[in-house]
Amino acid sequence: SQKIEQNSEALNIQEGKTATLTCNYTNYSPAYLQWYRQDPGRGPVFLLLIRENEKEKRKERLKVTFDTTLKQSLFHITASQPADSATYLCALRNTGNQFYFGTGTSLTVIP
Amino acid sequence: KAGVTQTPRYLIKTRGQQVTLSCSPISGHRSVSWYQQTPGQGLQFLFEYFSETQRNKGNFPGRFSGRQFSNSRSEMNVSTLELGDSALYLCASSFSGTSGRYPDTQYFGPGTRLTVL
Repeated sequence: SQKIEQNSEALNIQEGKTATLTCNYTNYSPAYLQWYRQDPGRGPVFLLLIRENEKEKRKERLKVTFDTTLKQSLFHITASQPADSATYLCALRNTGNQFYFGTGTSLTVIP
Repeated sequence: KAGVTQTPRYLIKTRGQQVTLSCSPISGHRSVSWYQQTPGQGLQFLFEYFSETQRNKGNFPGRFSGRQFSNSRSEMNVSTLELGDSALYLCASSFSGTSGRYPDTQYFGPGTRLTVL
C-alpha cells in the first residue's frame, strides 16, 4: 500500500541547533516533493519544492534533499529559532497529479 | 493580493445533516483543491477543480461532492454527515495558467472546522 511517513510526531531541539526532519514514502512515483509549514489554526504554507531529478535545494536557513533510491527526503532548518516551532508536512505529487501528504512532525525549538 | 478565504470558519452539525463549505481562491487562480485534515489521517486529498471541471478525485465516498463556478469560487458539499466527518476542511488554490497545467505551488486557506455531533 502507499504510505508517506514522517520520522516522528514531535521533535524538540535547542535554539541554534539544526533540526532534521525525515519523510519516507513507499509505492509512489513522485514527480516532486514539497515541504509545508503549518501553525495551529491555520492552513499549510508552502516552503520548498524539490523535483525527482534534483538532489538538494536551499532557501535561506532551509535545505531539502531528495533521494529517490532511498525514497526519502530530509528537511533541515539550520540555526533554529523559537519562531520555527510549528508542524512541518511533506507532500508529494505523483505522476497521476494528486497530492499526498504525510501526517506531519511537530517541531518545538526550545530557547 | 488577498489570500484564499474560506467560509464559514467553524460549523457544528448533527449526524444526518448536510453541509456546504465555500472557498474563494486567490485572484487569477483557476485551480482549487479540497482536503480533509484529521489528527489520525493527516491531510487527505478530496478533489480538484479547474475551469469548472473536476479533473482529479481522491478516495472519498460519494457523499462528498464539489463544484466550481465561473469566477473560480468553489463549494464542497457533504451529505448525510457522519461523526467521522468531523475535521478541518482546507481549500487550496493554484495558478494553472491558461493551459491548465498542473501547478507546483498550492496556497491554502485557513480552513473550516466542522464538528459533527
